[in-house]
Amino acid sequence: SQQGEEDPQALSIQEGENATMNCSYKTSINNLQWYRQNSGRGLVHLILIRSNEREKHSGRLRVTLDTSKKSSSLLITASRAADTASYFCATDNYQLIWGAGTKLIIKP
Amino acid sequence: GAVVSQHPSWVICKSGTSVKIECRSLDFQATTMFWYRQFPKQSLMLMATSNEGSKATYEQGVEKDKFLINHASLTLSTLTVTSAHPEDSSFYICSATGGWDYGYTFGSGTRLTVV
Repeated sequence: SQQGEEDPQALSIQEGENATMNCSYKTSINNLQWYRQNSGRGLVHLILIRSNEREKHSGRLRVTLDTSKKSSSLLITASRAADTASYFCATDNYQLIWGAGTKLIIKP
Repeated sequence: GAVVSQHPSWVICKSGTSVKIECRSLDFQATTMFWYRQFPKQSLMLMATSNEGSKATYEQGVEKDKFLINHASLTLSTLTVTSAHPEDSSFYICSATGGWDYGYTFGSGTRLTVV
């Protein structure tokens, strides 16, 4: 079974609102990464958080990691239409194991 | 930043022919490269992991003889889909890393259609 699991599977919000996605994993990790994939396109790396970090920011993105609960969250603030995409978390234990992704739709 | 070039971005081939997909790291040495496959509306599926100079490690259920992977240098890995069939039609993506702490850089993907 897949290591990472994102929820919700799909999320639709109004432009300007914040979007929160969660990811759970099963075994110990070295780091956890979030990626964005626009329909039919390749993946774009968003942010990497190491196992000894609890929170990380990058522009409008905020990622948290709770290794005791084996979970991570990705917060996108002040969402924009261009944020519409699928978001994946991936855990690294010498190789990436992917979750199923969260499909985010930003309504203008 | 790190860049991975994947080529071609799309290819249409006849059933029974072979297709080669290239993945190049342009500005870093990729000690490890990964090949993924993605079916429509599904997550990525790891097919194999390759380290430069050694044989690729294939995931369970992935046919080694069908999906030939070569990682002959620190900047180039190739995936050859041999004797392609329509069910091999998919989106293939490579990624490369210079080490586990450096994150992974992805190619732009190759959409393969077998007719």
